[in-house]
Amino acid sequence: SQQGEEDPQALSIQEGENATMNCSYKTSINNLQWYRQNSGRGLVHLILIRSNEREKHSGRLRVTLDTSKKSSSLLITASRAADTASYFCATDDNSGGSNYKLTFGKGTLLTVNP
Amino acid sequence: GAVVSQHPSRVICKSGTSVKIECRSLDFQATTMFWYRQFPKQSLMLMATSNEGSKATYEQGVEKDKFLINHASLTLSTLTVTSAHPEDSSFYICSARQGLQGRTPLHFGNGTRLTVT
Repeated sequence: SQQGEEDPQALSIQEGENATMNCSYKTSINNLQWYRQNSGRGLVHLILIRSNEREKHSGRLRVTLDTSKKSSSLLITASRAADTASYFCATDDNSGGSNYKLTFGKGTLLTVNP
Repeated sequence: GAVVSQHPSRVICKSGTSVKIECRSLDFQATTMFWYRQFPKQSLMLMATSNEGSKATYEQGVEKDKFLINHASLTLSTLTVTSAHPEDSSFYICSARQGLQGRTPLHFGNGTRLTVT
């Protein structure tokens, strides 16, 4: 099943504003991760939040997790033009086994205008 | 640390030929590597999980005879697209997990843009 549906699909803001992206998923998870992808490049891990955590911070990033609603949000504060990228949430699908494969959502394309 | 190098970054090939893409973990051992395919403005689709010293595990709908995966060492996995067709044109990305424990972040290569003419 499709996990990690982000919204909005695209977000355009001005430099200095905050950007909020949301992610919903369908099955139980061990953790949820957010990744960033610059155009035509690989993904870079941003932050991981475990299923027993509700909020986590890393620099200008703030992630929340609501397991009862099966949703997460990524907040980027004081955005910069360099934050322009696609942002994906990914879930560890808790299916067991040793590979712990991640399932990625469709992503939010964030454009920060200078 | 935790750098994954993917090569080549771009490749153009003719229909019917085969293309090999390499994924290397430069400063750590990766017992498990993952191969993804990404279409423009879309998400990553997991193709297969590559385990060092054993056969790869392919996702449903992915042809294992077309997308050959070899994980011969703890630092190298290769994906060979055999008898390539224009519909195989896509962005292929590998990733690796550091260490033996699961549920840790993945480290990604920079991807390979394959164009089949």
